[in-house]
This record gives sequence, structure tokens and C-alpha cells, in this order.
Amino acid sequence: ETGVTQSPTHLIKTRGQQVTLRCSSQSGHNTVSWYQQALGQGPQFIFQYYREEENGRGNFPPRFSGLQFPNYSSELNVNALELDDSALYLCASSLAAQGSPLHFGNGTRLTVT
Amino acid sequence: AQSVTQLGSHVSVSEGALVLLRCNYSSSVPPYLFWYVQYPNQGLQLLLKYTSAATLVKGINGFEAEFKKSETSFHLTKPSAHMSDAAEYFCAVSVLFGAGNKLTFGGGTRVLVKP
Repeated sequence: ETGVTQSPTHLIKTRGQQVTLRCSSQSGHNTVSWYQQALGQGPQFIFQYYREEENGRGNFPPRFSGLQFPNYSSELNVNALELDDSALYLCASSLAAQGSPLHFGNGTRLTVT
Repeated sequence: AQSVTQLGSHVSVSEGALVLLRCNYSSSVPPYLFWYVQYPNQGLQLLLKYTSAATLVKGINGFEAEFKKSETSFHLTKPSAHMSDAAEYFCAVSVLFGAGNKLTFGGGTRVLVKP
């Protein structure tokens, strides 16, 4: 069973640039979620995808967007990067069932300078 | 709306001593509750989950948690700490959200294990 994998592991961008982060879901999972974890804090829900459509969003602006592909892999795109976007971005996959646990990847550390 | 409060951002225990991490939640519906562990420079690993089948839940690495509805608590314990338990621990409440589950996390508790 292949777990959740994310790429790249680290990324440095300049304020105003755009970034794309990638995620491969665990085998058999059909739902993917993205979380932002700022230093010293718990993860915050960004959005969730199911059947290639955004299925719910947390308190994040529209410059955070995503895609889910037929093979259940996913991308997180962030436009017009701000310094406060510096964080660990975590991808998690799960089954579309109540109480189904989320399985997380190791994350992408984004630094915006 | 759901929320999670973890009492104590840092906990220091001696090797072999009891580990107790506190978690209180609020939820308008019967919750699903989880504990995750995060080692340095890694993602979150599931320790255990409560899904109403039993109030005492056993997880990996010798951890267990007890759900107490009257206290809205889900505290995590391990009888004897090991050096490898040094990590950050997150309590989370899950509600059905669209097709899947949305986790709301507490602020985390960092555990330091002293030899």
C-alpha cells in the first residue's frame, strides 16, 4: 500500500510569485484535502476535493486553488504569494465516509521571502 | 462549529513516567475524535481514533485515549514514556464535510522526554 506522497519537500519563493504543490493520494482513497500548518500551530483546513471538484473550503482566499485528477492525485496552487503564506502544506487523503481517518503526507515546506 | 483545546503547549516527562496529554472538544453533533503525532520535519501520523464503538480506545505505540462525553474530553495517555515518544501531538475533531471529513485541530502539545 503506497502512502501519501508530496512534492517538492522544500520550496523558496518570492512575494508575488505563484507556486504549485503536488500530492499523490494513498491507494484506494478518493478524497483529498489540503491543510496549512504555520510554525508552532496546528494544521488549518484549506479545502477538500472529491470527484475532481472542490467539496468545501476553509477560511482561505480565492488565490488558493486546487485540482484533483482522475487518478486522485492533486495540486495546490497559490497565486500572489504573501510572506504569511510561509508554512508547511500538508496533503491528506481518505475515503469518502464519515469518520474515515485522514492519512497525511510529509508536507511541503514553503518559504516566501 | 467545532473546536479543540489542548491544555499545555509543552509537556516534559521522565523516561518511564506516565504521559498525559489533555484534549477538550466542542461539537454540536456526536464527534469523531483523533490523536495524531508529528515527528520533526514529517507529516502527521494517526495514533488512534474514537468513532463511538468504545469509550476507551487503544492506539499504536502503547497510547490510549478515553472519551468522556460528560467532560467533553479525549485525553491521551501512555503508562511509560520512551525516548522515541518525543514529538508533537495533535488532538482533532472530525465532522462529515461534503463527501469526506474535515479535521479541526488543537494547537498541539510538544512532548519532551528526559532520560
